[in-house]
Amino acid sequence: ETGVTQTPRHLVMGMTNKKSLKCEQHLGHNAMYWYKQSAKKPLELMFVYSLEERVENNSVPSRFSPECPNSSHLFLHLHTLQPEDSALYLCASSQDGAAGNTIYFGEGSWLTVV
Amino acid sequence: RKEVEQDPGPFNVPEGATVAFNCTYSNSASQSFFWYRQDCRKEPKLLMSVYSSGNEDGRFTAQLNRASQYISLLIRDSKLSDSATYLCVVISPTSGTYKYIFGTGTRLKVLA
Repeated sequence: ETGVTQTPRHLVMGMTNKKSLKCEQHLGHNAMYWYKQSAKKPLELMFVYSLEERVENNSVPSRFSPECPNSSHLFLHLHTLQPEDSALYLCASSQDGAAGNTIYFGEGSWLTVV
Repeated sequence: RKEVEQDPGPFNVPEGATVAFNCTYSNSASQSFFWYRQDCRKEPKLLMSVYSSGNEDGRFTAQLNRASQYISLLIRDSKLSDSATYLCVVISPTSGTYKYIFGTGTRLKVLA
C-alpha cells in the first residue's frame, strides 16, 4: 500500500518517442517532487512543485518537462531522450511549509531508452 | 563540502552483529533528520526520525549530535533482512521554505 502511486512502472522508449510518467498522491500533501536515480548512484532532485508552482529546477535538460495540474497530480513529459536517461524515476510528496514533515516516495518508474 | 555526507560502505557484517553508521551535515540551521532505507531496485522508505534526545525503535537506535553536526544509526542483532542501503536525510531551511537533502547512502550487507 502506498500513498504515492506512479504509472507506468516500466517504460521502454526509443529516442524519438514522446511519453509521460504520471504520479498521484493520496496524502493531502502540497508539495511534489521528481527524482532520478541511475544505477548504483544517489538520488538526484529534478523538480519541486509547491502549491502547484515550480519552485526548484535543478538544471534539468529541456527534454524533461514537468507538469503539475493540481496538488495531487504530477507528470513528467519525456521527448527525444538519450540512452543515459535510462534510470529509475521517483515521484515523492510532502507537506511543505514546516520542518519535520517526512517525504514519501512512490514505487518508481523504470525507464529504458533504446 | 557536500551538504550531507555518508560513508558509502559496503559494511559487511555477520548476522547478530551490531553496526553503526554516521552521517554529517554542513548546515548548522538544519532542523529535522531522518533515516530512510532503500532496498535494491526499490524506493526509499522512512525507517525512523531522529530526535534531539535520541530515539529507539526495536533494534534500531538513532542519535543526533548538533554540536558536531552528525546523526547516527545503530543496528543491534543484525538480521539478513537488514541488508539494504541506509539514507540519511536532513531538512534545511532555504528561501523561506525547507528542502530535503539526501545523503548518498551507506550500503549494509548482513552475511549468514
